[in-house]
Amino acid sequence: KQEVTQIPAALSVPEGENLVLNCSFTDSAIYNLQWFRQDPGKGLTSLLLIQSSQREQTSGRLNASLDKSSGRSTLYIAASQPGDSATYLCAVSGYGGSQGNLIFGKGTKLSVKP
Amino acid sequence: EAQVTQNPRYLITVTGKKLTVTCSQNMNHEYMSWYRQDPGLGLRQIYYSMNVEVTDKGDVPEGYKVSRKEKRNFPLILESPSPNQTSLYFCASSYREYQPQHFGDGTRLSIL
Repeated sequence: KQEVTQIPAALSVPEGENLVLNCSFTDSAIYNLQWFRQDPGKGLTSLLLIQSSQREQTSGRLNASLDKSSGRSTLYIAASQPGDSATYLCAVSGYGGSQGNLIFGKGTKLSVKP
Repeated sequence: EAQVTQNPRYLITVTGKKLTVTCSQNMNHEYMSWYRQDPGLGLRQIYYSMNVEVTDKGDVPEGYKVSRKEKRNFPLILESPSPNQTSLYFCASSYREYQPQHFGDGTRLSIL
């Protein structure tokens, strides 16, 4: 059974710092991996999607990497801003059953202080 | 604006009183799904639909029903709600199942 773990559970940094969020998964047979952010009272916003054949994806100040063989992904946020404060969720999509069935980690709650 | 719309956003009701949470998307997406989010358990898929009239169970389908009569709508039905269905529910959609999913803002259900 696929399990997704995110470390740390919470992180507080001063504005301007570069930071890394970690995600690990137990079964390397994934179709893709997605990073989402969740704001209080809001739904999830998809940030980046990495297909299993890819190593990384970039969008603005965000860079996500995937090492499928070791079951790890990282989300790198450059020059963090207070507006980046949110919970970040990692989710993997497997080959069995519905490829759209995302298995989520429990998230990293990020606080960026001015 | 491209969006997934859920209604209601909040609902407090009592055990056994049938309820429906509606979900509608305006992006002509084929794939739609429902998740519930619980503290300590994270998000888990309840049901999904690959297209009109095609639905299947996710990881936690017990106590729920769905239907997909139109491409844009995917309602979640609780025929006889129980307190263990108190949760935050999200509807999501994507063009294909392996593409980025768009989530609604969530429905917070409290079953007393």
